[in-house]
Amino acid sequence: DAMVIQNPRYQVTQFGKPVTLSCSQTLNHNVMYWYQQKSSQAPKLLFHYYDKDFNNEADTPDNFQSRRPNTSFCFLDIRSPGLGDAAMYLCATSRRGASNQPQHFGDGTRLSIL
Amino acid sequence: ILNVEQSPQSLHVQEGDSTNFTCSFPSSNFYALHWYRWETAKSPEALFVMTLNGDEKKKGRISATLNTKEGYSYLYIKGSQPEDSATYLCAENFSSGSARQLTFGSGTQLTVLP
Repeated sequence: DAMVIQNPRYQVTQFGKPVTLSCSQTLNHNVMYWYQQKSSQAPKLLFHYYDKDFNNEADTPDNFQSRRPNTSFCFLDIRSPGLGDAAMYLCATSRRGASNQPQHFGDGTRLSIL
Repeated sequence: ILNVEQSPQSLHVQEGDSTNFTCSFPSSNFYALHWYRWETAKSPEALFVMTLNGDEKKKGRISATLNTKEGYSYLYIKGSQPEDSATYLCAENFSSGSARQLTFGSGTQLTVLP
C-alpha cells in the first residue's frame, strides 16, 4: 500500500563518490519534493518538481541535482558527497496547486558518508 | 526568511497524562499550517492541515488550534499513550512560483512512558 517509496532505505557511500537516491509514487501527484534533514533539525527543502518544471531553492548546493523522467519517479543525485551531506533525505508529493492538501512522504533514505 | 519555531524541543510524559506543544510562525502571507507525526523508522504522517484563523481540528485524542493573527498553533494530546511517542512537526505553507512549499519547524520529540 506504500504510495511514496524511497530506495534504498540506507545508503553508505565514500567521500566524493557520486550517489543517487530514488523516489517513486503511485498517487499521480504533480509535485514531488526532496528534503534534507540533519539530526534534530527541521527538514529543509532542496528542490521540487511541478510536473516537469524544476524549482531549485536558492541555498541548495550545486552538488545536488535532480531528475524526474516521468510523473512517477524522481531522483536525487549527489555528485561529490562531502561529510556534511550525511543526513536523512525525504521525498514527498502533493497535488497540483493544492496548498491546503497534506504532503505525502516516503520513509526516507539515510545517507552515510565514509 | 521564514522561521517556524516549535517548543519544547523534547518532552517526556507519563502514560495517561495530557500534553500540548506549540508551533509559532510568521503571520504575514499565511496560507496553511500543517502538522505531521513522524514515528521512528516510518514516514511522516499528516495529522492536520489548517487554513482559517480560529480553526480547531480533532483526530481521536489529538486536536489542534490555529491563531493566524498572532502566528501560533497548539497541538494537544489527551490521555497520552506509548504509541503517541513520535516527533511532531509543524510546517507553514507559503506560495513561491508555481507551487506551494512547506517550511518546517525542527519538531517536538514526545516520549510517553508506560
